[in-house]
Amino acid sequence: AAGVIQSPRHLIKEKRETATLKCYPIPRHDTVYWYQQGPGQDPQFLISFYEKMQSDKGSIPDRFSAQQFSDYHSELNMSSLELGDSALYFCASSSTTYLSGDNTDTQYFGPGTRLTVL
Amino acid sequence: GIQVEQSPPDLILQEGANSTLRCNFSDSVNNLQWFHQNPWGQLINLFYIPSGTKQNGRLSATTVATERYSLLYISSSQTTDSGVYFCAVGGGADGLTFGKGTHLIIQP
Repeated sequence: AAGVIQSPRHLIKEKRETATLKCYPIPRHDTVYWYQQGPGQDPQFLISFYEKMQSDKGSIPDRFSAQQFSDYHSELNMSSLELGDSALYFCASSSTTYLSGDNTDTQYFGPGTRLTVL
Repeated sequence: GIQVEQSPPDLILQEGANSTLRCNFSDSVNNLQWFHQNPWGQLINLFYIPSGTKQNGRLSATTVATERYSLLYISSSQTTDSGVYFCAVGGGADGLTFGKGTHLIIQP
């Protein structure tokens, strides 16, 4: 079965640079979520989109922004990077309507993008 | 916000042993999921279980929503079961709140 695709898988940036992470949800999923997991920490919810509109907001810094496009893929834009932004960034997707063999609202996670800020 | 507490924080077992992981949450939820994070960092969805009982092979889970807890059972542990097990809760399609996880080590 198709899974969530994230790119790039690894990214190295310098302080104060910008970064863009991309997420391609499972086909027919209409909701995308972004999470940040620091070293030894649990994942923290950042932001989510349903049908290209922001639907829920967590602990996303003001330096970060995100959007969902017409093809449902999403991008997380990160500016003025800091050392503390080094983390594993996950994208997840879910469907609000019933799909065969699935539960609505079950979130499936991508492999993550490992961001290192030097 | 909602609080999620997992226990035990660490667990070391021999191959073949059984284990029970617990997740307590502070408010009613519409979404509860169990995940396994393997040593490579992948978050694998184990169960979507806001209530009731489910089984998948050697793993099973039970959520008692009225008492705000969920249990994950692992039977006949294998070394590949090692990793961190997370419980995460939320309301429908909202973002999930994760517990701190249970770090499980299965020794051969």
